[in-house]
Order: sequence, then structure tokens, then C-alpha cells
Amino acid sequence: DGGITQSPKYLFRKEGQNVTLSCEQNLNHDAMYWYRQDPGQGLRLIYYSQIVNDFQKGDIAEGYSVSREKKESFPLTVTSAQKNPTAFYLCASSISGTGHAFFGQGTRLTVV
Amino acid sequence: QKEVEQNSGPLSVPEGAIASLNCTYSDRGSQSFFWYRQYSGKSPELIMFIYSNGDKEDGRFTAQLNKASQYVSLLIRDSQPSDSATYLCAVNSWGSGAGSYQLTFGKGTKLSVIP
Repeated sequence: DGGITQSPKYLFRKEGQNVTLSCEQNLNHDAMYWYRQDPGQGLRLIYYSQIVNDFQKGDIAEGYSVSREKKESFPLTVTSAQKNPTAFYLCASSISGTGHAFFGQGTRLTVV
Repeated sequence: QKEVEQNSGPLSVPEGAIASLNCTYSDRGSQSFFWYRQYSGKSPELIMFIYSNGDKEDGRFTAQLNKASQYVSLLIRDSQPSDSATYLCAVNSWGSGAGSYQLTFGKGTKLSVIP
């Protein structure tokens, strides 16, 4: 089955620790996105990538980093510089330029 | 920064009524417009998209676009309790600084359909 897979579903981070969220898609989509969602809020764009080895900052990129070494994969690292990382993280992919985004099931990150 | 504005609600409608959800956007150059539905604790799913001015119908859903007013809406006819969810408006536009398309979401409107 084609789709987009995020892992893990739940993640706990200690203060000062970096963690990496995985996102893999087998839809052959060029574009991939990372969004953050806080309770009762909409989606805020962290990073996006339209092509391998290239990515752009979204509206809230500070404290996050990404890589796009393969078309299928777009991992997000939440660094210790992100002071309030507890949130629901959503990865999405689309055919480049269309906006028809398919989402993974999300990762809930909690700082302990 | 591109902005997409929605009334956060909650919007409550009785079962069988028409639910009307509204969205405005700031980037006049935006090219395509989307409505996503998100159930509590789940990821969003695409339910409608529209590119041209006017109306687009798909079953009980109608999307309306007015580019001159920078306004897009979603009508849900014969609302059902299963339609209770948060509806996210999204706008796809060209980010000249980034040299690529960017998909921007509103904060969403929470809809409750009362049996």
C-alpha cells in the first residue's frame, strides 16, 4: 500500500536532548513538509522540501533541523534549542506544486 | 508571512442543517485552495480543493472561491454527527524567496453537529 509513515507514534524527550522524528513515503512525491500542531491550534510549517538535497525554512524553523538525502525520506530533528517542543508533529507529502497533501499519522512529542 | 484566517468556532449546527465554514487569505497570488478535515487526535485528510472562482460541488460538500475578495468557503449540506471535526483551510502559493510552493494552513474551525 502506498502511503506516508511517521515513527514513532509517541516520543518522550529529556531536557537538553536532541530527538529525530522519522518520515518515509512511497508515493513518489517530490514535496515533503513538516508541521507542528499545538492543542486547539492549526498547523504551523516548520520546514519543507520540493526536491532532494534542498529544503526551505517555514514559519517556525528555529530549534529544528531537517535533511532530504533521499526522495522517500524527510527526517526532522528537534534540537535542544527548541525550548517548547511538546506538540503533535505531522509530516506530509505531495506532488510538487499541487498542495494535495497526504499526511502521516503524526508523532506526539513530550518533554519530560 | 502568508496568512490564512479562519473563525476558530466552535460552530454548532443541528443534524440535517447546512454548515458554512469561511476562510480568508493574505497572498493575492495564491493559486490553489484546500479544505482538510481533522478528527480529534488524528491527522488531516483532504476533502475538497478548488482552483477557479466559483463553486465546486462534491456530494454534500461545496467549495466556493472568490479570488477578488481573497475568500474561500466550504458548505456542508445535510450535516451529520460524523461531520463533527475541525476543518482546516489551506492555501498553496509560490514563495518567491524560497523559489518553491508553500502550503499554509489556517488554525481551523471546530464543527459540532448536534443530533
